[in-house]
Amino acid sequence: GAVVSQHPSRVICKSGTSVKIECRSLDFQATTMFWYRQFPKQSLMLMATSNEGSKATYEQGVEKDKFLINHASLTLSTLTVTSAHPEDSSFYICSARIPGLNTEAFFGQGTRLTVV
Amino acid sequence: AQTVTQSQPEMSVQEAETVTLSCTYDTSESDYYLFWYKQPPSRQMILVIRQEAYKQQNATENRFSVNFQKAAKSFSLKISDSQLGDAAMYFCAYRSPPYMRFGAGTRLTVKP
Repeated sequence: GAVVSQHPSRVICKSGTSVKIECRSLDFQATTMFWYRQFPKQSLMLMATSNEGSKATYEQGVEKDKFLINHASLTLSTLTVTSAHPEDSSFYICSARIPGLNTEAFFGQGTRLTVV
Repeated sequence: AQTVTQSQPEMSVQEAETVTLSCTYDTSESDYYLFWYKQPPSRQMILVIRQEAYKQQNATENRFSVNFQKAAKSFSLKISDSQLGDAAMYFCAYRSPPYMRFGAGTRLTVKP
């Protein structure tokens, strides 16, 4: 099946700094990618839809300036958590679908962010 | 807005037995897709099975099958001959492009 690679798998950063998470589609071009946040023992909550070459679409309640999304190429979307605080600590997951096909979403391995 | 409900936070099954996980959803769409994903401790989301709403036949993948009741908006997952490796969080998901919505999840424990 299609492969989506997410990096890094774990990151620890100091409060006030920014951290970038990358999501790559390895064997297909993804015009759209999705970013989710998952709190412990909870479901995946869609944060935003990343559109190649255009602005991301954010879900209600998600701060655009806090979670910057860039989808500059057909195989790469990045999520930057700016001025991170301990409450931003969470598990972040990206996904992508093969364009034009009504298939399932393929997920990255996820990134565990810890802000200290 | 579409919602997905998994009413069983936790389920337990004896190895080699059968277990059914429940899922209901709410939508006004007629064309959509339903999925069951498995999330083991590694946190990697793994597709278990999918169902297209326009298909009346229930999807089957080896030991995994679904009972799709479109009128009732129900989409349950049956795991037969449960194995220790089936222990994980299971998420029911609904997709009507471009969005995918997930249920709260069911934690499945498999007892040896």
